[in-house]
Amino acid sequence: RKEVEQDPGPFNVPEGATVAFNCTYSNSASQSFFWYRQDCRKEPKLLMSVYSSGNEDGRFTAQLNRASQYISLLIRDSKLSDSATYLCVVNLSNDYKLSFGAGTTVTVRA
Amino acid sequence: GAVVSQHPSWVICKSGTSVKIECRSLDFQATTMFWYRQFPKQSLMLMATSNEGSKATYEQGVEKDKFLINHASLTLSTLTVTSAHPEDSSFYICSATSARGDLNEQFFGPGTRLTVL
Repeated sequence: RKEVEQDPGPFNVPEGATVAFNCTYSNSASQSFFWYRQDCRKEPKLLMSVYSSGNEDGRFTAQLNRASQYISLLIRDSKLSDSATYLCVVNLSNDYKLSFGAGTTVTVRA
Repeated sequence: GAVVSQHPSWVICKSGTSVKIECRSLDFQATTMFWYRQFPKQSLMLMATSNEGSKATYEQGVEKDKFLINHASLTLSTLTVTSAHPEDSSFYICSATSARGDLNEQFFGPGTRLTVL
């Protein structure tokens, strides 16, 4: 079983729509959780950290469910510029090593 | 702040040659640098963790004699792919954590696309 699993998508949505997707992780002792964004052929960029109580950053809302070992990302009022691959990232240990999911591709159409 | 550069951004080489990739933290001192590899439509896979002045720690399945890592200073780490073969063609990305920041946050370089003919 992979350490971090994501639905690869793609999620094709119109501008203004809401899109949400999940990621599951295998290690219940995981410490930290993040969503990164990766554009085609570019490096990943941190979108937001995910906190236990859930957190929001503008149109982006992240939730963590430790009992079921998943995190989610919701994008409201989608923009064309939101088109990207969203990487679920988990810190599995105390040594700051990150484990990446394979990404969920989102395409926002006009 | 927290900018990481990589050089070269892309390289094409013949099979059997060695390729060196540099990773630099431009405006901060990097406690630790990480090297990743990403094949098309796959996740980033951690290859090794590098701390300045000490030997790199390699992940299981990564050959340390093939992927040589040197971390000579707090702002520079290099990855040398020795005797490269076509199966080594990939996107190599480094990241760094800042000694003054959240050690959970990694700043990524723009990546190096290696094509071995």
